[in-house]
Amino acid sequence: ETGVTQTPRHLVMGMTNKKSLKCEQHLGHNAMYWYKQSAKKPLELMFVYSLEERVENNSVPSRFSPECPNSSHLFLHLHTLQPEDSALYLCASSQELIIINEQFFGPGTRLTVL
Amino acid sequence: KNEVEQSPQNLTAQEGEFITINCSYSVGISALHWLQQHPGGGIVSLFMLSSGKKKHGRLIATINIQEKHSSLHITASHPRDSAVYICAANPYSNTGNQFYFGTGTSLTVIP
Repeated sequence: ETGVTQTPRHLVMGMTNKKSLKCEQHLGHNAMYWYKQSAKKPLELMFVYSLEERVENNSVPSRFSPECPNSSHLFLHLHTLQPEDSALYLCASSQELIIINEQFFGPGTRLTVL
Repeated sequence: KNEVEQSPQNLTAQEGEFITINCSYSVGISALHWLQQHPGGGIVSLFMLSSGKKKHGRLIATINIQEKHSSLHITASHPRDSAVYICAANPYSNTGNQFYFGTGTSLTVIP
């Protein structure tokens, strides 16, 4: 247990559905991250939030919409996804905006888009 | 071409074997990281290196800055070492939030 939880752990959705991924951290951290991990591809940093403000958005399609209502919670809202969006979505948090060795990762949500 | 390349992609070893995973990178970096991802998804940081060598238990990580190459060694491997090992480079010119990741090496240690 890293102190970062993600729900759901598995999600299957159609291309016309709208769903949300949730991440919660119980560590008192100020920064939170969304990563995408596709099979046979490098990990991709999608979004970075610091103190509930987005500080980085790495050219992610608008069908992915993040929300950070407070420093403990991070959401990823999904709509009209494509099959190639099927991947493991990982959430992480860190005390401050720092390099990866201080980030605590959640177990991920395995997303399948039909 | 990815800025960080790992080899091998997949590795199967007998328990007790010495294991080496390699990482080459093409950019100037301030640090290189080795991460471990167990089945189930969660990622744990093993090492952060900017030069030389670090050891933690049965794990050893080395880096050669001139050759832009790092290795992760596991001595006396055990089935619980079975995981995906990911190399991540922190390039010089960034705010600390950007990384280049390798595709990972999937290790299976057989009893």
